[in-house]
Amino acid sequence: SQKIEQNSEALNIQEGKTATLTCNYTNYSPAYLQWYRQDPGRGPVFLLLIRENEKEKRKERLKVTFDTTLKQSLFHITASQPADSATYLCALLDTGRRALTFGSGTRLQVQP
Amino acid sequence: DGGITQSPKYLFRKEGQNVTLSCEQNLNHDAMYWYRQDPGQGLRLIYYSQIVNDFQKGDIAEGYSVSREKKESFPLTVTSAQKNPTAFYLCASSMQGAIGQPQHFGDGTRLSIL
Repeated sequence: SQKIEQNSEALNIQEGKTATLTCNYTNYSPAYLQWYRQDPGRGPVFLLLIRENEKEKRKERLKVTFDTTLKQSLFHITASQPADSATYLCALLDTGRRALTFGSGTRLQVQP
Repeated sequence: DGGITQSPKYLFRKEGQNVTLSCEQNLNHDAMYWYRQDPGQGLRLIYYSQIVNDFQKGDIAEGYSVSREKKESFPLTVTSAQKNPTAFYLCASSMQGAIGQPQHFGDGTRLSIL
C-alpha cells in the first residue's frame, strides 16, 4: 500500500543548530514533493516544492533534498530559531487523481 | 488581501444533524479541496474539485457532501451518516489543480459533537 512516513516523535534542538526532518514514501512515483509548516490551530502554509529531477532546493535558511532512489526527502532548517517551532508536513502529488497526499507531520521544538 | 476564509471557526453538531462548513476564496483558483485532520494524524482528503460544477471523492468521502456552484465557494456538509465527525476541517485551493502548484489553506473549522 502507499505510505508517507514522517517521524511522529517531536524533534527538540537548540537554537542556532540545524534541524533535519525526514519524509519517506513507499509505492509512489511522485513528480513533486512539497513541504508545509503548520502552527497549532492554523492551516498549513506552503514552504518549498521540489521536482523529481531536482536534487536540492534552497530558500533562505531552508533546504530540501529529494532522492527518488531512496524514496526520501530531507528538510533542513539552518541557524534554527524558537520561531521555527511548528509541525512540518511533507506532501506528494498523486498524479492518478491530481491531488496531494500528506504525511502526518513532525513537530519541531527549538529551545532558546 | 487574497486568501481563503473558513467559517465558522468552531461548530457544534447535535446527533442526527447535518452541518455545513463554509469555504470562500478570492484567489481566483480553479481547484479547491477539503481535508480532515485528527490529532497526531496527517491531512486526509475528503473531496476535491478541479473546476466549477465538478468534484471528486477523496479517501474518506463517506458521510460528507459538497457542491461547487461558484468558483469562489466550496461548502462541505457533514451529514448525520458521518458517525465520528469530531475533527479539524481544512479547506484549500490551488491554481490548475495540484500539478506543481502549492495549496493555500484556510485556518480551519473545529467541529465537535454536543
